[in-house]
Amino acid sequence: QKEVEQNSGPLSVPEGAIASLNCTYSDRGSQSFFWYRQYSGKSPELIMSIYSNGDKEDGRFTAQLNKASQYVSLLIRDSQPSDSATYLCAVNRADMRFGAGTRLTVKP
Amino acid sequence: EAQVTQNPRYLITVTGKKLTVTCSQNMNHEYMSWYRQDPGLGLRQIYYSMNVEVTDKGDVPEGYKVSRKEKRNFPLILESPSPNQTSLYFCASSFLGQAGGEQFFGPGTRLTVL
Repeated sequence: QKEVEQNSGPLSVPEGAIASLNCTYSDRGSQSFFWYRQYSGKSPELIMSIYSNGDKEDGRFTAQLNKASQYVSLLIRDSQPSDSATYLCAVNRADMRFGAGTRLTVKP
Repeated sequence: EAQVTQNPRYLITVTGKKLTVTCSQNMNHEYMSWYRQDPGLGLRQIYYSMNVEVTDKGDVPEGYKVSRKEKRNFPLILESPSPNQTSLYFCASSFLGQAGGEQFFGPGTRLTVL
């Protein structure tokens, strides 16, 4: 089992729709969780961090964490073509572990 | 401006010719790390460092060396590069904390080994 697993995608949604990205992790001791966005050939940039169970909202983005289920998700509301990128889930305990990423395409 | 810098950004070299990719951060971060990214494989950690003179292997350390003589710098050394080390490399840094801090990434170095 991979330490951090994401839907491989690709995921395609129409402009204005909600994009839902999912991630599961294997280490129950993980303490911090991150979502990074990466455009092709560019470095990952942090878009959300979450540390406790529940939802965290930041603009059009909502991160959801369920430690009992070892699950973290990212919802993007009112998706825009500029949201088209690969989204990386990262989980940190003593060290950061990344998922392979989900490629999202938002079609105009 | 708070940032992680890497040099060079692009490098084409030949098998066996030693090279160094530099990484520097100006945020006083304790933790620094090197990753390689290959299509379909995501980010794989090569080496990391939790402080000066403290380094440890990540998931794919073979063929690489690192050093941490100063807090701000964490160079990646390929003593004898091979074509399977052709990849996109990222340096990252963060604070160390109880929960683990978010990592800030450099712009990346695209390496081609012929």
